Amino acid sequence: DAMVIQNPRYQVTQFGKPVTLSCSQTLNHNVMYWYQQKSSQAPKLLFHYYDKDFNNEADTPDNFQSRRPNTSFCFLDIRSPGLGDAAMYLCATSRDIVDTQYFGPGTRLTVL
Amino acid sequence: GNSVTQMEGPVTLSEEAFLTINCTYTATGYPSLFWYVQYPGEGLQLLLKATKADDKGSNKGFEATYRKETTSFHLEKGSVQVSDSAVYFCALSEKGGYNKLIFGAGTRLAVHP
Repeated sequence: DAMVIQNPRYQVTQFGKPVTLSCSQTLNHNVMYWYQQKSSQAPKLLFHYYDKDFNNEADTPDNFQSRRPNTSFCFLDIRSPGLGDAAMYLCATSRDIVDTQYFGPGTRLTVL
Repeated sequence: GNSVTQMEGPVTLSEEAFLTINCTYTATGYPSLFWYVQYPGEGLQLLLKATKADDKGSNKGFEATYRKETTSFHLEKGSVQVSDSAVYFCALSEKGGYNKLIFGAGTRLAVHP
């Protein structure tokens, strides 16, 4: 089945230690998104890629970066995680910029 | 700016009860509207959507109708099951721009046998 895959499902890192989260898709969608969802809150968009074009939300901290080396993969890099960055990170894709978004299962990040 | 307001939870129901989760929105233009469901420890799953006024989205016994006059998109189900226990998010995306989803705060539903 075509799907959005996130690895790992659970990630533990130390305060200040860089961490990378991975998302891949078999849907061949043009757009990939990263959301941050803190406990008991709504997901919040961090940034998205339309093909190779990167679009950052205005309030996304500089500590968060992203890479999309090809259509199938997108990475979220947190350069120096703080305790406040502990959250579920959700990847989503859509066929085009106005189409429905499909979400992966998420990666729960713990910062010690 | 655009926003979505959902009724606060938790909503606690007995199995086979009728469910309504209220959702209202504020948006410029004519957004598309969505309900997503999140089961414990999981990501979001699209439950249903509606893209224009008076459209009704439906899936797995859930329904919601896009009401432009009341700017609402209330979620309903006639008979809930224990397996429906989850958090439900109402969301909008504005047409004409890029596809940013604006979510409500989520409503937790707990269904007891």
